This record gives sequence, structure tokens and C-alpha cells, in this order.
Amino acid sequence: SSELTQDPAVSVALGQTVRITCQGDSLRSYYASWYQQKPGQAPVLVNYAKNKRPSGIPDRFSGSNSGDTASLTITGAQAEDEADYYCHSRDSSGNLRVFGAGTRVTVL
Amino acid sequence: QVELQESGPGLVKPSETLSLTCTVSGGYVSGETYFWTWIRQRPGQGLEWLGNIYYSGNTHYNPSLESRLSISADTSKTHFSLKLSSVTAADTAVYYCAREDDHDYLAHFDSWGQGILVTVSS
Repeated sequence: SSELTQDPAVSVALGQTVRITCQGDSLRSYYASWYQQKPGQAPVLVNYAKNKRPSGIPDRFSGSNSGDTASLTITGAQAEDEADYYCHSRDSSGNLRVFGAGTRVTVL
Repeated sequence: QVELQESGPGLVKPSETLSLTCTVSGGYVSGETYFWTWIRQRPGQGLEWLGNIYYSGNTHYNPSLESRLSISADTSKTHFSLKLSSVTAADTAVYYCAREDDHDYLAHFDSWGQGILVTVSS
């Protein structure tokens, strides 16, 4: 399968924790990476592999993997975390790439 | 830190070929761990991986576009390009170029262009 499935939308109260999931057969073999996209902006890498964060990304963004599911957790969500989040990985062949459809995170 | 910048026409007529270039600053289209990639986002939609090119010239394409898509890199290794033929309104999108770092098979896009809106309309 070449699909990655994400929930369309989630909401979280300010300061609380939210987990975004990404499910797909290829995730049994390959790690996911996660991107934050705000309106009118290019996506930004926030987490990849086994919970690696690029420089400048707050440590409230953490990643994990279990079986066919990858997760991005925002611990202590801030207003500026309101955005669309996309997962990405290889497809099952390993040669192509695929994105999940995205999860819109609303901070209440 | 490498920087990427897309360029090309913002308006393309239906049935024509969409051509975009990504200029790489602070680096080259090279490196054994990097895939140089095109991604698009239709209005109000999610990200769609279009294809990539390796420094060796090897390419991979999204199967849904493979018959119309070509990605190449220039010999100076400072640009890579996308050509999408026989475009329709469904190809209207923001097109991004990006660098994928695949070190240790941990594929992730660590650099992105700002994106360029291409509208297909007569």
C-alpha cells in the first residue's frame, strides 16, 4: 500500500497535549517525518526518524513509532502550534514517497 | 544551509507544458544522501509528492503523473527542473522544490523553497 492515513482534524486546549497519528503499511519498514504548515507558508520539518528534531524546533514536538503507526505529540500546545501537520514516508517499494492527507490542529 | 528558490511562469495555458526551475544556493544538486524533489499543493488540498532526482541523474516519479512528468538537473548542478506536459486546470497548484536528506534511510525534507503558484487557464 502507498497510502498514509491521518485524521482530518483535532483540537487541543491551550497548554494541553495532543497526539497526531499517521497509519500506513510502509511505516512497518520506514520511519515517518512530520511537517508543520501555516497558511500561506511552506511546510517546516518538525520531527523525523526516531524522534529527531531540527535545530530551532521546540522540544514539545516529539515523535514515536509503533507497528504501522507513527505519531507526533505536542506536549503543552501553544497558540502558535495551530497549523496543518503532514506525515511523509517512503511507499512500500521504498523507491517512491507519499504524504498523508494532513491533520488540522486547532488550539482552543 | 542550502536555500532553494522556484522560478517559472505563473500562468500556463491548458494542454501546454509547465516548466519550473529550482535554484540551489549554498550548495549543489549533489550528495549521495540527497534527493532533489518536487512537491505540489492544489488550492485547499494537501501535499502531493511529484518526484525526485538523485545526483546520479536517476529519477522517480509519482505513478499518477509519470507519463507527463520529467525532472532533470543541469550540468552545473546549481538548478534542477520540472516539466509537466498536457496540463489541465487540475494542475493548478503551488509547486515546491525541496531537498530530501536520506542519510541512514531516514528520509526527511530539510530544505524547502517558498513555493510558486502556477495557474492553468486560457
